[in-house]
Amino acid sequence: DAGVIQSPRHEVTEMGQEVTLRCKPISGHDYLFWYRQTMMRGLELLIYFNNNVPIDDSGMPEDRFSAKMPNASFSTLKIQPSEPRDSAVYFCASSRDGRYTQYFGPGTRLTVL
Amino acid sequence: DQQVKQNSPSLSVQEGRISILNCDYTNSMFDYFLWYKKYPAEGPTFLISISSIKDKNEDGRFTVFLNKSAKHLSLHIVPSQPGDSAVYFCAAKYSGGGADGLTFGKGTHLIIQP
Repeated sequence: DAGVIQSPRHEVTEMGQEVTLRCKPISGHDYLFWYRQTMMRGLELLIYFNNNVPIDDSGMPEDRFSAKMPNASFSTLKIQPSEPRDSAVYFCASSRDGRYTQYFGPGTRLTVL
Repeated sequence: DQQVKQNSPSLSVQEGRISILNCDYTNSMFDYFLWYKKYPAEGPTFLISISSIKDKNEDGRFTVFLNKSAKHLSLHIVPSQPGDSAVYFCAAKYSGGGADGLTFGKGTHLIIQP
């Protein structure tokens, strides 16, 4: 059974460019989470969806960040325009029941020059 | 303000011995706790969890202990094996009220010495 799939695995871009990160959750999971990992702040929740509806986006750092989930099998996290301080590893996770265990994808390492 | 704290950035243990990783939390609303293991260039992998109605949960070589009064949990690995070398994250959540995201500690890098 496939786990959470993220693409791309690595992204290098220049400041000011638009970046789109993609996630496919585990089939049958109704919850999808986006996390960011940095050295300074560790792993922090950005936003999560339940049944494709955004529930809590209080962790999204700025208006430059947006996330969508057009259907149960796909979500995007977009940064426009990107800045060097956005450099981090971005993880997507999914859960069958939002109350309990979340399963993580391999992450996208983003570098903004 | 960190609500979940792992005060040991790294821990070195000899193969075959017990590894004990510690975690403290400050938010008394947390009622579900998880440990994740992470290898370089991979996502965190779920290891074991515990609900606040229990004080111990065991799964093979892994045991998690919860002390609610002290707001402290620990992960015991026995015996430790070379493949256990990884970063271990403690995570907590409140399972009610729609607050479904996990709050993570900053991790402890466990190194198993041969």
